[in-house]
Amino acid sequence: LAKTTQPISMDSYEGQEVNITCSHNNIATNDYITWYQQFPSQGPRFIIQGYKTKVTNEVASLFIPADRKSSTLSLPRVSLSDTAVYYCLVGDLNSGYSTLTFGKGTMLLVSP
Amino acid sequence: GAGVSQSPSNKVTEKGKDVELRCDPISGHTALYWYRQSLGQGLEFLIYFQGNSAPDKSGLPSDRFSAERTGGSVSTLTIQRTQQEDSAVYLCASSLVGQNNEQFFGPGTRLTVL
Repeated sequence: LAKTTQPISMDSYEGQEVNITCSHNNIATNDYITWYQQFPSQGPRFIIQGYKTKVTNEVASLFIPADRKSSTLSLPRVSLSDTAVYYCLVGDLNSGYSTLTFGKGTMLLVSP
Repeated sequence: GAGVSQSPSNKVTEKGKDVELRCDPISGHTALYWYRQSLGQGLEFLIYFQGNSAPDKSGLPSDRFSAERTGGSVSTLTIQRTQQEDSAVYLCASSLVGQNNEQFFGPGTRLTVL
């Protein structure tokens, strides 16, 4: 399993852009990068997934450099409701078995 | 549509008792996962079911933990002779394998062992 490393916590203010970087130096050729968000007292929910370059949806953008050894989740103009734990996962989606492993994630605290 | 449901939402038990936690996955989802999350910690993988294949039990912490999935749908996680360190939120998720494997999580069961 590809190991991921991400900051334990980050602080931001409302309206700012937040970038959370995840390192995955031993990512395999068939691995995808997936980010989940977890609010207190809830299960995680899928945010975004990508393989290379840039992916954007209505919630976030995911930037993946050419060597794929890291990825950056970008949250534009955060609000208080974006306070949550963000998990970076790396794994092969096509193996018939999800090898995605959740670590401790990054606790993002957005202040007024 | 209906999401993943879990029951009970909260369970308080005494040390040494057995408990059963239930998960109803999204209809049609072939994959089902159980995780455990202790206070302030990340998710700890417990067990994975995929279709009719033998489950991956590699995450179960001890032989006091077991799980089954009947008819490819509902799953039950059983903890025998509960210990205080078993206190945690137990999360269930389901997914469709092959479609980005997005896992849909239930609300969890908060287990407290006194």
